[in-house]
Amino acid sequence: QVQLQESGPGLVKPSGTLSLTCAVSGGSISTSNWWSWVRQPPGKGLEWIGEIFHTGSTNFNPSLKSRVTISIDKSKNQFSLRLNSVTAADTAVYYCVRDGSPWGQGTLVTVSS
Amino acid sequence: EIVLTQSPGTLSLSPGDRATLSCRASQSVSSNYLAWYQQKPGQAPRLLIYGASSRATGIPDRFSGSGSGTDFTLTISRLEPEDFAVYYCQHYGSSFTFGLGTKVDIK
Repeated sequence: QVQLQESGPGLVKPSGTLSLTCAVSGGSISTSNWWSWVRQPPGKGLEWIGEIFHTGSTNFNPSLKSRVTISIDKSKNQFSLRLNSVTAADTAVYYCVRDGSPWGQGTLVTVSS
Repeated sequence: EIVLTQSPGTLSLSPGDRATLSCRASQSVSSNYLAWYQQKPGQAPRLLIYGASSRATGIPDRFSGSGSGTDFTLTISRLEPEDFAVYYCQHYGSSFTFGLGTKVDIK
């Protein structure tokens, strides 16, 4: 049974870079699935950030595309998110997800000085 | 970009009631690439329905999805206590967007 686990700093300074990693266990990341990042500001709805295939192909939310990088490390069976030039509006719970399921438990990232 | 409008914003019902949630797309959803998720406080969303009407693994048959084109519906035939939650629809495929959600709470 595939499981996903997010990790990374819980606090990022404004104008800095948010970096998160999603470790995939119980299965290979090199499958015919897309691996995505989704975020949810406190008390608000869900926002899709972007996705990556094991070949390295990516798709991004147009509203975030200029600030987002998603990469994959098949040797470590994980994929990562980088979001630069962050502001308080980027404060959210960040989830990684394989296609629609399963989801990681989520990690709260707060942007604050 | 496809915009998804969910209604109502909140649905107040009792256990045993039937719940009908709506998701309307601003343009036709290709190949019925429409999913429904359930989210409880402090938890990650859980996939309920994909392809507009296919139940995900392990989802009880009281949950059903229907619709095509621009109008989609999630129906919960008889609400169980654990079904009170927020429900999101999502378009996926060429682009990905979520609706703002419908909260199903206890009347």
